[in-house]
Amino acid sequence: AQKITQTQPGMFVQEKEAVTLDCTYDTSDQSYGLFWYKQPSSGEMIFLIYQGSYDEQNATEGRYSLNFQKARKSANLVISASQLGDSAMYFCAMREGGPSGGYQKVTFGIGTKLQVIP
Amino acid sequence: NAGVTQTPKFRILKIGQSMTLQCTQDMNHNYMYWYRQDPGMGLKLIYYSVGAGITDKGEVPNGYNVSRSTTEDFPLRLELAAPSQTSVYFCASNQGPRDTQYFGPGTRLTVL
Repeated sequence: AQKITQTQPGMFVQEKEAVTLDCTYDTSDQSYGLFWYKQPSSGEMIFLIYQGSYDEQNATEGRYSLNFQKARKSANLVISASQLGDSAMYFCAMREGGPSGGYQKVTFGIGTKLQVIP
Repeated sequence: NAGVTQTPKFRILKIGQSMTLQCTQDMNHNYMYWYRQDPGMGLKLIYYSVGAGITDKGEVPNGYNVSRSTTEDFPLRLELAAPSQTSVYFCASNQGPRDTQYFGPGTRLTVL
């Protein structure tokens, strides 16, 4: 089974609208972390948001929020008030807990290409 | 702060050659990582370090080696380059597992 599944290869959103990018994950670990990254066409990687498996509240960072539904194993990224500069590839990733707070494994999804339309 | 710097930006290697990708961060971060990104894919973790003197393998460590003698530097060594190592390599760092992760600009490596 895929560890991280992003089912939307491409998404369009109107400027100033909100958009949800889907991510489901598969793990048997109790301790894990979920991440979202943005990669513009320039190729740089930008960290957006982090959610820990034990966090009770959904993570938020400015216009980004992570809709964490643990029982459904989903970690969708919500971008509010989309801007033209949000056009990019978005990757969901999972860190499965390691000993002593270290990392055992980090798995990325294949990404969703978001295009914001003026 | 320069953040995370990587050198070189581009490199072409012949099969069997060796090279070191340099990564330096000036944020005093404990955690550092090396990833590779193949075309159309997400990143794969090669090696990581949770502090000076401590390194561990990620998902795809074969063909690579790392060292972490200082907090700032985390070089990635490729021995006996193979075409399968053609990729974009990213170095990243953060203070802790939950903290914002900062990426370098990447190194585009081609092995012919």
